[in-house]
Amino acid sequence: DGGITQSPKYLFRKEGQNVTLSCEQNLNHDAMYWYRQDPGQGLRLIYYSQIVNDFQKGDIAEGYSVSREKKESFPLTVTSAQKNPTAFYLCASSMPGGGRQPQHFGDGTRLSIL
Amino acid sequence: AQSVTQLGSHVSVSEGALVLLRCNYSSSVPPYLFWYVQYPNQGLQLLLKYTSAATLVKGINGFEAEFKKSETSFHLTKPSAHMSDAAEYFCAKKGQNFVFGPGTRLSVLP
Repeated sequence: DGGITQSPKYLFRKEGQNVTLSCEQNLNHDAMYWYRQDPGQGLRLIYYSQIVNDFQKGDIAEGYSVSREKKESFPLTVTSAQKNPTAFYLCASSMPGGGRQPQHFGDGTRLSIL
Repeated sequence: AQSVTQLGSHVSVSEGALVLLRCNYSSSVPPYLFWYVQYPNQGLQLLLKYTSAATLVKGINGFEAEFKKSETSFHLTKPSAHMSDAAEYFCAKKGQNFVFGPGTRLSVLP
């Protein structure tokens, strides 16, 4: 079955450490997205990519970085510059077709600080 | 500015009772609107979407939503709540990007 796979499900970060969250999709979607979810705040957009080798900052990009070298993959790095990284991170993808197309989500990665 | 609002961060209903989760949006053009459900420690699943066809949209698990342009609303309803409906529900609008509301946690009491 097609879908979005996020790994790991749980991740722990030490002070000063960069960590990378994986997101892979086999839906053949062009667009991919990273969101951060905090309790009571809904989803906030970190980065998005509409096409391979191109990506744009979302609303809260500071302290994060991404790459899009392959259509299927959109990894997110949480850098040491992100001072409050503890959150639930969700990856999503969507087909082209403008606003009619919904986003499909992975099952998330929960990041905590050691 | 928040362009998707959900009235009530937590709603409790009894099993078998009507479920009503409210969503209001702001948009200068007819929007594309979505409802998603999230179970604990999982991603979001699409319940239904409005794409400017019928104003009453039926989704999965017995849910439906009605688009009312005059009220800028897209409320989610289900005639009879089931214990398995307990989850967090998000309304979303597609403009340049997706904008999600803050979510409403639904509790279903036995």
